[in-house]
Amino acid sequence: DAGVTQSPTHLIKTRGQHVTLRCSPISGHKSVSWYQQVLGQGPQFIFQYYEKEERGRGNFPDRFSARQFPNYSSELNVNALLLGDSALYLCASSLAGSYEQYFGPGTRLTVT
Amino acid sequence: KNEVEQSPQNLTAQEGEFITINCSYSVGISALHWLQQHPGGGIVSLFMLSSGKKKHGRLIATINIQEKHSSLHITASHPRDSAVYICAVRRNNAGNMLTFGGGTRLMVKP
Repeated sequence: DAGVTQSPTHLIKTRGQHVTLRCSPISGHKSVSWYQQVLGQGPQFIFQYYEKEERGRGNFPDRFSARQFPNYSSELNVNALLLGDSALYLCASSLAGSYEQYFGPGTRLTVT
Repeated sequence: KNEVEQSPQNLTAQEGEFITINCSYSVGISALHWLQQHPGGGIVSLFMLSSGKKKHGRLIATINIQEKHSSLHITASHPRDSAVYICAVRRNNAGNMLTFGGGTRLMVKP
């Protein structure tokens, strides 16, 4: 069985642009969470989606948004990119009712 | 003050040494996770525990709920154990949201 997949692997954007990151959960997992990890720090929670509904949101500005599709894949959108948005963006999926999270390889975003 | 603190931030050990990484937290939790992150970013879940002790191969994780403290031990360390080890807690009533420590960067020299 494939693990959590994320695309793209790497991305370079310019300040002010927007970006869409994608995540496909493990088959059967209905919950997807997004995390931002700035270099040298631990990850920070951005969003959790379950059954296509937002179930949790971290302390991030409204420039960050996400959605989950009927097949449980998810997109993270970031508008008006800032230099400080440069980070590794991690997606994790989990089974309904389980606390165990399975992480994807991440998308490394560089904003110049 | 961060809700989850890890120590040490950096650790260098010789192959074969016994290693301990500590995690303290200041909030009520329903579970604590130990994660391993290799260069390149991929994160692997090592343990999830809410009480007592768990062991998997050379790795042992313990948690003391009363003291709000957890430790990750690596016995007979090996250079392939070199990675960043991250403690994360699931706060009470926070669903699937994890709060992470800053990580401990471990290097094991041959």
